[in-house]
Amino acid sequence: DGGITQSPKYLFRKEGQNVTLSCEQNLNHDAMYWYRQDPGQGLRLIYYSQIVNDFQKGDIAEGYSVSREKKESFPLTVTSAQKNPTAFYLCASSLTGAGNTIYFGEGSWLTVV
Amino acid sequence: QKEVEQNSGPLSVPEGAIASLNCTYSDRGSQSFFWYRQYSGKSPELIMFIYSNGDKEDGRFTAQLNKASQYVSLLIRDSQPSDSATYLCAVPDSGAGSYQLTFGKGTKLSVIP
Repeated sequence: DGGITQSPKYLFRKEGQNVTLSCEQNLNHDAMYWYRQDPGQGLRLIYYSQIVNDFQKGDIAEGYSVSREKKESFPLTVTSAQKNPTAFYLCASSLTGAGNTIYFGEGSWLTVV
Repeated sequence: QKEVEQNSGPLSVPEGAIASLNCTYSDRGSQSFFWYRQYSGKSPELIMFIYSNGDKEDGRFTAQLNKASQYVSLLIRDSQPSDSATYLCAVPDSGAGSYQLTFGKGTKLSVIP
């Protein structure tokens, strides 16, 4: 089936650890995105990529890193520099071009323990 | 900073009534508008998009757009308990080469049986 697969669905991180969230899509979309959602809040853009080997910072990129080595994959690393990482992380993708619909994966819950 | 404003709710309506969800946006150059539905603990799913002033109907859902007033709304007719969710309004960035969406914080809808 076509779609966006995020893993793991639930992840626990110890203080000082880096963790990587996986995102894979088979929709043949050029653009991919990472959003963060805190309880009762809207979605905030962390990073986005419009083409392989290129990505741009969103509104809250500090403490996060990404790579885009393949069209299908856009992993997000939450580094130890991110002081408040507990949140719901959403990967998304779309065709490029203004106004194209963004589709979301099922999300990953990250909790700091 | 582009802004998308929604009443946070909760908006409570009885089953069978019309639910009206509103959204205002700051970017006068925005050309398309999206409504997503997000159930608790799940990722957003697209309900409707609208590009032109006026109304667009899809089943029980009607999106209304007034670009002059920078206002977009979503009407849900014959509301069902299964419509209980948070509804997110999203507006693309009108900047050249930008494919980002700015999301409102969402309106929580509760349909009372």
